[in-house]
Amino acid sequence: GAVVSQHPSRVICKSGTSVKIECRSLDFQATTMFWYRQFPKQSLMLMATSNEGSKATYEQGVEKDKFLINHASLTLSTLTVTSAHPEDSSFYICSADPGRGATSTDTQYFGPGTRLTVL
Amino acid sequence: SQQGEEDPQALSIQEGENATMNCSYKTSINNLQWYRQNSGRGLVHLILIRSNEREKHSGRLRVTLDTSKKSSSLLITASRAADTASYFCASLNQAGTALIFGKGTTLSVSS
Repeated sequence: GAVVSQHPSRVICKSGTSVKIECRSLDFQATTMFWYRQFPKQSLMLMATSNEGSKATYEQGVEKDKFLINHASLTLSTLTVTSAHPEDSSFYICSADPGRGATSTDTQYFGPGTRLTVL
Repeated sequence: SQQGEEDPQALSIQEGENATMNCSYKTSINNLQWYRQNSGRGLVHLILIRSNEREKHSGRLRVTLDTSKKSSSLLITASRAADTASYFCASLNQAGTALIFGKGTTLSVSS
């Protein structure tokens, strides 16, 4: 089956530093990837849609200058949390869409998540 | 805002019992999906039901969809301790570009 990996799985950083999280589709190409954030005991909140070769589309309330997304290839999207603060501590999950056109396919494949802790 | 709302938020049952989780959504859908998440892990796709389907089975899972009520249910029969996880329904956003998740039901199955 389709596999999506995330790296790192867990990261602890100091307040004010930047952290990059990678999302890779290992055995398929993904024109579209999605980034979600999940706080403890809560659901996944969509942050942004990452499109290969173009700018990401951010959800309302998500700061694009704070959460930089780059989708430079069909198998890799990165999320950089810039100037991280303790309130950015969360579980970040990506998903990849094998893609059959402009809209999402029926099934997305999720990465295992990255636990970010900002001290 | 969240597309789906699940209830109950938490469910505790004994092994062998059935677990039913419900999901309501707000907008029209082409399909509705159910996912499972073990604590601190990624999501696993369980089952997808299309808007023209009323019921679908997969192993011990049974999903129903009522588009007139904008609701779906997930039934896990003969539950096992390994079924302990959070379960989320999800459907595409209005633009049809991304999955939006409900709040989820946390299921605890004790042996």
